[in-house]
Amino acid sequence: NAGVTQTPKFQVLKTGQSMTLQCAQDMNHNSMYWYRQDPGMGLRLIYYSASEGTTDKGEVPNGYNVSRLNKREFSLRLESAAPSQTSVYFCASSESGSEPYEQYFGPGTRLTVT
Amino acid sequence: GDSVTQMEGPVTLSEEAFLTINCTYTATGYPSLFWYVQYPGEGLQLLLKATKADDKGSNKGFEATYRKETTSFHLEKGSVQVSDSAVYFCALSEGGSYIPTFGRGTSLIVHP
Repeated sequence: NAGVTQTPKFQVLKTGQSMTLQCAQDMNHNSMYWYRQDPGMGLRLIYYSASEGTTDKGEVPNGYNVSRLNKREFSLRLESAAPSQTSVYFCASSESGSEPYEQYFGPGTRLTVT
Repeated sequence: GDSVTQMEGPVTLSEEAFLTINCTYTATGYPSLFWYVQYPGEGLQLLLKATKADDKGSNKGFEATYRKETTSFHLEKGSVQVSDSAVYFCALSEGGSYIPTFGRGTSLIVHP
């Protein structure tokens, strides 16, 4: 049981380049999330997917797009990277329903945009 | 809307000292409360949780009690170790909502 996996672990981009961060979970969870973590800012939600086939904006969606490819996979795309997108990106998943469930996090992708 | 407030860090302690990290919350309903821990270079992982008032969550020597009257969920440990050095996040989640609310995190540094 790998839990939540993310690729790549590290990435350096030049301004204007594009890339896709991959995330997969093997826990059969309905909901998946993308966060960014910056010093002093805590975690900020970029996009989430409550269930397969749906996606919604979080707190800081500008400059990003997402795809919920299937129940297991949820990717985050930067179309034209900017230095302000230098951050650590975490994917998470959880069960969903009437009860509140904990989230399971991946190990993160450390992205630097120069 | 919902919010979580944690004490600012870093909290610096010597090994075997007593730890308290304060967490208070505001919520419209009856949330579940969580503490997550993030070790250096890793993602967050659940440390403990409590789902209703007066519940006590515990794990790895850490404890937190859901206090509805004071809207608090303070994290405590009787004797910290160097290996407890990490960032600790308090969070809440309400039933029927897909989006949890996280505090900003409190860094704990434990010296030998």
